[in-house]
Amino acid sequence: DTEVTQTPKHLVMGMTNKKSLKCEQHMGHRAMYWYKQKAKKPPELMFVYSYEKLSINESVPSRFSPECPNSSLLNLHLHALQPEDSALYLCASSPHGGRGLDGELFFGEGSRLTVL
Amino acid sequence: AQTVTQSQPEMSVQEAETVTLSCTYDTSESNYYLFWYKQPPSRQMILVIRQEAYKQQNATENRFSVNFQKAAKSFSLKISDSQLGDTAMYFCAFLKTSYDKVIFGPGTSLSVIP
Repeated sequence: DTEVTQTPKHLVMGMTNKKSLKCEQHMGHRAMYWYKQKAKKPPELMFVYSYEKLSINESVPSRFSPECPNSSLLNLHLHALQPEDSALYLCASSPHGGRGLDGELFFGEGSRLTVL
Repeated sequence: AQTVTQSQPEMSVQEAETVTLSCTYDTSESNYYLFWYKQPPSRQMILVIRQEAYKQQNATENRFSVNFQKAAKSFSLKISDSQLGDTAMYFCAFLKTSYDKVIFGPGTSLSVIP
């Protein structure tokens, strides 16, 4: 299984809503990532979990709250978002400290978020 | 800090022809990884090819090959026999070690014309 699965694929929410994005991988990868991507732009790193611990937070506003319940799952909790938060949210995973595939990111298809 | 530059925001190529996408980067490190990622319209981003800086031999993957010039800090991607399915955004990326974050270039939008 070489997939990273993200749900939902599309999400529309109001600025007062609370919602969550979910990501799952079963490749045994120990690093998982959330990226935000605007159209025709590169992904922007938001958070990195390494061995289920938050290792990088790229100064993301607190209305985005990540959670890593176990080594296979990654959530992104959303609350009181702004219209400018509308974007494609990508989850990725990578092996950590191994050889060969070291550093390669495996991406999910993304969750397209629209904030009204 | 490392930076990655892709000087061609958009490119097009005729089907079956060859195209080269440019990438330059800036680093003071001697060991690192370089990648080309492909993101087709509305589809997931996938790795096309990777290069480890300590390897002098240029990486190849079927129709995809790179020209890695370490001294010039250049890492171009050549796509041979272009196919319609090659239409995508292509991102050049740099990674110092697996414990660091990947630095993406701004991307090149490639269109393959029938």
